[in-house]
Amino acid sequence: DTEVTQTPKHLVMGMTNKKSLKCEQHMGHRAMYWYKQKAKKPPELMFVYSYEKLSINESVPSRFSPECPNSSLLNLHLHALQPEDSALYLCASSQAVAGGHTDTQYFGPGTRLTVL
Amino acid sequence: AQKVTQAQTEISVVEKEDVTLDCVYETRDTTYYLFWYKQPPSGELVFLIRRNSFDEQNEISGRYSWNFQKSTSSFNFTITASQVVDSAVYFCALSEARAGNNRKLIWGLGTSLAVNP
Repeated sequence: DTEVTQTPKHLVMGMTNKKSLKCEQHMGHRAMYWYKQKAKKPPELMFVYSYEKLSINESVPSRFSPECPNSSLLNLHLHALQPEDSALYLCASSQAVAGGHTDTQYFGPGTRLTVL
Repeated sequence: AQKVTQAQTEISVVEKEDVTLDCVYETRDTTYYLFWYKQPPSGELVFLIRRNSFDEQNEISGRYSWNFQKSTSSFNFTITASQVVDSAVYFCALSEARAGNNRKLIWGLGTSLAVNP
C-alpha cells in the first residue's frame, strides 16, 4: 500500500481559477517530487524538494508554483492554467541520502487535472 | 547521454502465457541504478525493483523475474504465468548515482501489456 497520498483525485478547473494540489507522505522521506504525465507518455519531472528546499525546477511555467510547508507535505499551486496543462499530476517521495546514492521514488495515486 | 529504450510499445498475451518486457539503456557512468515501475489503469506508479550497476544477479519475486546483463546493457523483465491483473503499462528507468540530491530518473516510453482471459 502506498504511503504517499494525494488530494484531490480529480480536479476540473477553468483557465481563470486558482487551485492547489496536495501531497503527503508518511515514510519520513526528505525528498519530494512533482511530475506531470500526459496520456501514453512517461512522467515528466517538474520540481524536486530536498530537505524542504527547492533543488530542481525543470523550467516549469510560473503558473505552477510549488510549496513545501514541512518534510511531509508538498503542494502545487495552480493559477491561470491552459487546456494543454490537463494531465495526471503525480507526487513522489524518496529518502534523500548524501554521498551519491540514488533512492527509490515512491509515488502517490495522482490527481487527474482537466483545464477547461 | 543517458537513454532508456523500451522497443515494445504494446504486447498482448493470453492469461497464463509467459511474457518478457525488454529494456535497453545507455549511460557513460559506471555507477547507476535501474528501475521497473508498473502503472495500472488507476494511474498510480508502483515500484517493482531497483538494481545497481554492480549487482548482476538475476532477481525473482514470485511470478516476476529480472535479467540484468551489463554486456548488452539490458534489464529485461519477465512475468511467468501472466494474469489479467498484470495488465498495465510498465516503465523501465535509469538513474545515475551522484553526489548531492539533484538526481533525475530517465524513463523509457513504457510497454503497455494487455493480458486477456
